[in-house]
Amino acid sequence: AAGVIQSPRHLIKEKRETATLKCYPIPRHDTVYWYQQGPGQDPQFLISFYEKMQSDKGSIPDRFSAQQFSDYHSELNMSSLELGDSALYFCASSSQGAATRTNEKLFFGSGTQLSVL
Amino acid sequence: GEDVEQSLFLSVREGDSSVINCTYTDSSSTYLYWYKQEPGAGLQLLTYIFSNMDMKQDQRLTVLLNKKDKHLSLRIADTQTGDSAIYFCAESLSGGYNKLIFGAGTRLAVHP
Repeated sequence: AAGVIQSPRHLIKEKRETATLKCYPIPRHDTVYWYQQGPGQDPQFLISFYEKMQSDKGSIPDRFSAQQFSDYHSELNMSSLELGDSALYFCASSSQGAATRTNEKLFFGSGTQLSVL
Repeated sequence: GEDVEQSLFLSVREGDSSVINCTYTDSSSTYLYWYKQEPGAGLQLLTYIFSNMDMKQDQRLTVLLNKKDKHLSLRIADTQTGDSAIYFCAESLSGGYNKLIFGAGTRLAVHP
């Protein structure tokens, strides 16, 4: 079965550079979530999109932005990178019932390991 | 408030049962999840339980939910070395968009 695909798997950037992370959800999933997991920490929710609209926002810095496209893939754009942005970035997808907003379980991608030097 | 707590470390002997505990604070949580993360890898959904259930069993995994005490546990029967990983408890808050709040994770070490 198709899973959530994230690219790239690894990314090395220098301070003040920009980075773009991509996420391709499971087919027919309409909701995408971004999480950040620092070294030795639990995943922290950044932002989510449902049907291409931002649905929830967590601890996402103003330097980061994200969007969901018409094909439901999502991109996380990170600017003015800082050393503290080094982390594993997970994307997850789920299917929300449009009428009932039924919660469905999240499926996570393998993550993008971002290292800021 | 939103807070999920777990003990950080558990060591068991191969073949024994492992029990990983989790407490959460939001009584409106609709779903509670257990994820497994191996070193350098992503989050693998192990199992989940609806908040109106007390127990769910899935092969070697048993999830117990005490909603009154807001306590969730994951029991792994016949623990194997391949079960060594970090196990995250997560709650899904009500509101329809399935944002997950994770605990800090319990590192399970299985020794011979």
